[in-house]
Formats: sequence, C-alpha cells, structure tokens
Amino acid sequence: NAGVTQTPKFQVLKTGQSMTLQCAQDMNHEYMSWYRQDPGMGLRLIHYSVGAGITDQGEVPNGYNVSRSTTEDFPLRLLSAAPSQTSVYFCASSYSLAGDEQYFGPGTRLTVT
Amino acid sequence: RKEVEQDPGPFNVPEGATVAFNCTYSNSASQSFFWYRQDCRKEPKLLMSVYSSGNEDGRFTAQLNRASQYISLLIRDSKLSDSATYLCVVRGTGGFKTIFGAGTRLFVKA
Repeated sequence: NAGVTQTPKFQVLKTGQSMTLQCAQDMNHEYMSWYRQDPGMGLRLIHYSVGAGITDQGEVPNGYNVSRSTTEDFPLRLLSAAPSQTSVYFCASSYSLAGDEQYFGPGTRLTVT
Repeated sequence: RKEVEQDPGPFNVPEGATVAFNCTYSNSASQSFFWYRQDCRKEPKLLMSVYSSGNEDGRFTAQLNRASQYISLLIRDSKLSDSATYLCVVRGTGGFKTIFGAGTRLFVKA
C-alpha cells in the first residue's frame, strides 16, 4: 500500500493564483481531512469528509474548497491564494472517526508571494 | 485559552534520561486522546493512544486524568532517535473535531 500520497511536495504561488493540492489514499478509509501547520500553532483542521459526496468545514475553512467524488481522492482547492496561506498542508485519513489512528501524507509546502 | 495546551519546549536531555511531557485540554466532552511524533519536516505519526487506565509501550508510558483534563507522556531511557516534536491530540464528540497541541520539541544529546 502507498498509504496517503500528496502532490505536489513544494509549490510557490503568486497572490491571486488558484491551485489544487492533490491527496489520495489506498486504504479504503472513509474519513479524510486536510490540515495546515504553521509554526507554534499546531495542525489546524481546514475541511474534512466522512465519505464520498460528504464534506464539512473544520476550524479554518475560509479560502479553501474541497470535494470528495471517490473514496480515494480528496483534493483541496485554493481559490485565490494569499500570503496568509503560506503553510505546510497535510492530508490525513482514518478508518473511523474517534479512537482510530490518522495516517498522514508527506505534506505540501506552499509559499504564496 | 487554547483548547489543547502543551509544555513549552524545547526539552534538552542527555541520553538515558527520563523525560515527561504534559498536555491539558479544555473540552470535558473529549473522547479520544493520542500522542503523535513528528520528525523535522516530516508528517506526524501515531506514537500511542492514551487510555483512562494508562498504557505502556516499551519505554513510553501515557496517562490520562479525565478529572483534571490532563494527559502525560513519559519517556524512559531516552535515545538519540527520540529527538522529535511530540504532539498531543484530542478528539471530541459530535464528529470529526480533532485538536492538535502545538507540540513539544525534544532534543536528546549524547
């Protein structure tokens, strides 16, 4: 199993550009989520999904969209990049909601200039 | 007040030392508790779940005190390879509300 994969690993955007961060998992997990990690703040939940076709907002959803058309894929779209979105983005999946390990992808380092 | 607070780091300890990390959480309805380890520029990985009765995995012991809303992680006989950031994670009720602490950095020196 590849586990959770993310692309790209690194990205530089200009303010106002849009892009999609890709995330895929091959563990047949129903639950997937996107986090951002900033220095001194821990990981913060952006959006999550409890299954194909079902998504919901996390703690910091503004400026991001998600969709879940298949169990495997959970892309994160930045609509109009801002310098405040410079961060490391992690995708994670788990078998169930509470009580289960979350498996993380390797992360995408995004810089917005 | 942050929902999950951890000891400020970094902790600098010699090999063989015992080190303890603490974490407090504010939501009394929290249901699940974990410690994750994150190496520099890598993704977090589960170190251990934390149960009310306390649990041990080799050199690592985790404790949960629901009354005080407090979680701890004890590392005995520290190794150089234990150098990492340790993240306290709390999951609440009503769905996928997962809160990460900011992490505590540990440096183990020879």
